Amino acid sequence: QLQLQESGPGLVKTSETLSLTCNVFGGSISGNNYYWGWIRQPPGKGLEWIGNIYYSGSTYYSPSLKSRVTISVDTSKNQFSLKLSSVTAADTAVYYCAKTVGQWPFVYFQHWGQGTLVTVSS
Amino acid sequence: QSALTQPASVSGSPGQSITISCTGTSSDIGGYNYVSWYQQHPGKAPKLMIYDVSNRPSGVSNRFSGSKSGNTASLTISGLQAEDEAEYYCSSYTSSSTVVFGGGTKLTVL
Repeated sequence: QLQLQESGPGLVKTSETLSLTCNVFGGSISGNNYYWGWIRQPPGKGLEWIGNIYYSGSTYYSPSLKSRVTISVDTSKNQFSLKLSSVTAADTAVYYCAKTVGQWPFVYFQHWGQGTLVTVSS
Repeated sequence: QSALTQPASVSGSPGQSITISCTGTSSDIGGYNYVSWYQQHPGKAPKLMIYDVSNRPSGVSNRFSGSKSGNTASLTISGLQAEDEAEYYCSSYTSSSTVVFGGGTKLTVL
């Protein structure tokens, strides 16, 4: 049974860098035909895609966040990570990690973590 | 990229059918058959309900169906049940090799 678990600070100061890790249990992060993604949801608002990464390191980012986002993968630890720099209160959200299902373009998220709330405050 | 456009809310009585629309552009919904729908209950992670416009993942009830016409995709739920009350989000692949979500639709079962 595949499980994804987000971890990281629940509080980040304005202008600093938000860092989260997604640990993958019950399956290998190094498989073919699926990507790993980050999606966020501000309190009371809708879903926003942040970006996807393949185990080889190939990435796709949201144009609106691209200048501040880095997604990386560590196959030896079976985990992938999100870094979002220069955060403001607008980055306060529940952050989900997820795994895609299906074929190219690998945009369907079937397996999700439980989500972790990150609050940005001075 | 702009979010896909969904109605803020829809409602229906148990047993009825409802349809949620999702409007995009020729650069996303209109250009590809890579549309999906997610169901999200309060405090829970989203659940994939429809992919490739009209396909259901294993385990999803056949009361859920999807379709597309031009730049607009639709999710239809037939035989409404109380457990269907949730937020629904559409999503599409885009010409920029990115993913865009809709703003979400709150379904109320009366």
